[in-house]
Amino acid sequence: DAGITQSPRHKVTETGTPVTLRCHQTENHRYMYWYRQDPGHGLRLIHYSYGVKDTDKGEVSDGYSVSRSKTEDFLLTLESATSSQTSVYFCAISDHSGGAGETQYFGPGTRLLVL
Amino acid sequence: QQQVKQSPQSLIVQKGGIPIINCAYENTAFDYFPWYQQFPGKGPALLIAIRPDVSEKKEGRFTISFNKSAKQFSLHIMDSQPGDSATYFCAAGRGGYNKLIFGAGTRLAVHP
Repeated sequence: DAGITQSPRHKVTETGTPVTLRCHQTENHRYMYWYRQDPGHGLRLIHYSYGVKDTDKGEVSDGYSVSRSKTEDFLLTLESATSSQTSVYFCAISDHSGGAGETQYFGPGTRLLVL
Repeated sequence: QQQVKQSPQSLIVQKGGIPIINCAYENTAFDYFPWYQQFPGKGPALLIAIRPDVSEKKEGRFTISFNKSAKQFSLHIMDSQPGDSATYFCAAGRGGYNKLIFGAGTRLAVHP
């Protein structure tokens, strides 16, 4: 998985509780992404980062926040988890030097269940 | 305009067959079209990718066909094997921050 770890790998939580997922990379790649994967929807981009402290929203960012204080770590926070946020969350990294479309490498995923 | 539509949802072929998965997009600004392969319990992994300046790209048994005028692209798997059984996702992206829009996925089963 290209030097990408995600923690925790599985989590069960209750509605209304805060949850933080961590993505750690050892590749020193500049770009990091959080996606969620749901049946029938493929993968949808939640937030992404293009450098330390530089982040922006993706297509399904409501209810999520992110932080990136170091190159290697990208945190995804659900401030108050809802059942609709039950999903599998994937982190990805990329290191393209200009232009479009360098490879995104995905982590192993975190399976989150919100009861 | 940001959608990528993928079909079929699922596909069953016999070993040696040639499964074909199709994708269509609307946004002509897209300039990068990768295919990802995902096995159960794993993250997606890049299989092959194409840019709109070519109409076909082959890597081993995997071929992408690209039709820019029709805004469609497809994945062909030659001489399919049971080990190719996985979920396949097409995606589209464009310059800048390399944000990808994914199709809904196709679950492929290759029977021995």
